[in-house]
Amino acid sequence: QVQLVQSGTEVRKPGASVKVSCKASGYTFIDYYIHWVRRAPGQGLEWMGCINPKTGDTKLGPRFHARVTMTVDTSVNTVDMELSRLTSDDTAIYYCAKNSRRLNIAARDRFDPWGQGTLVTVST
Amino acid sequence: QSVLTQPPSVSGAPGQRVTMSCTGSSSNVGAGYNVHWYQHFPGKAPKLLIYDDTNRPSGVPDRFSGSRSDTSASLAITGLQTEDGADYYCQSYDSSVSSWVFGGGTRLSVL
Repeated sequence: QVQLVQSGTEVRKPGASVKVSCKASGYTFIDYYIHWVRRAPGQGLEWMGCINPKTGDTKLGPRFHARVTMTVDTSVNTVDMELSRLTSDDTAIYYCAKNSRRLNIAARDRFDPWGQGTLVTVST
Repeated sequence: QSVLTQPPSVSGAPGQRVTMSCTGSSSNVGAGYNVHWYQHFPGKAPKLLIYDDTNRPSGVPDRFSGSRSDTSASLAITGLQTEDGADYYCQSYDSSVSSWVFGGGTRLSVL
């Protein structure tokens, strides 16, 4: 079955960077964009950006252009998301999710399935 | 502040019907972009519940239904069950920020 498995809990100090991994299985990895979404405590879900595993092209949300880097390793069907210059506001659960549409993205797309989430805590 | 507005909480007794709203604007739901709904149990992966306003993925009971009108959408759950207690999020696309957007989520309590 289609499955996304994420890396484990991370703790970082302010100003540091964190990298979260998302390993896909059960489908043709390069055919579907992977999105990243986060949920901070007491907040709703926030879309961060997405990556085309075939080309490495990314589309980032306006709040993340300067701090997020997404990369892909097709040899192990894994997408990484790195967030730099962390602050306490970045404390959140980070999710990866597979795009519903094959080969491209469009406004009407939904995310299915999702990874189990990775808790990132930023604290002194 | 989420782009889509959802009530923080709703509640109902087992067997009852509940609805929850998702209010947007002319740059997202009102612009015709589809609304999708996700069910989220804390500590688990969010699960797609309704897509393209009204459609249920395979395996989702028909107790769950979605609707959309103008700048808002709604999720209805009939025959409420205790295991329906979860957080529910709506999602759409917003042309003003060129991003997919979510609501703040609604926590359903089954009393």
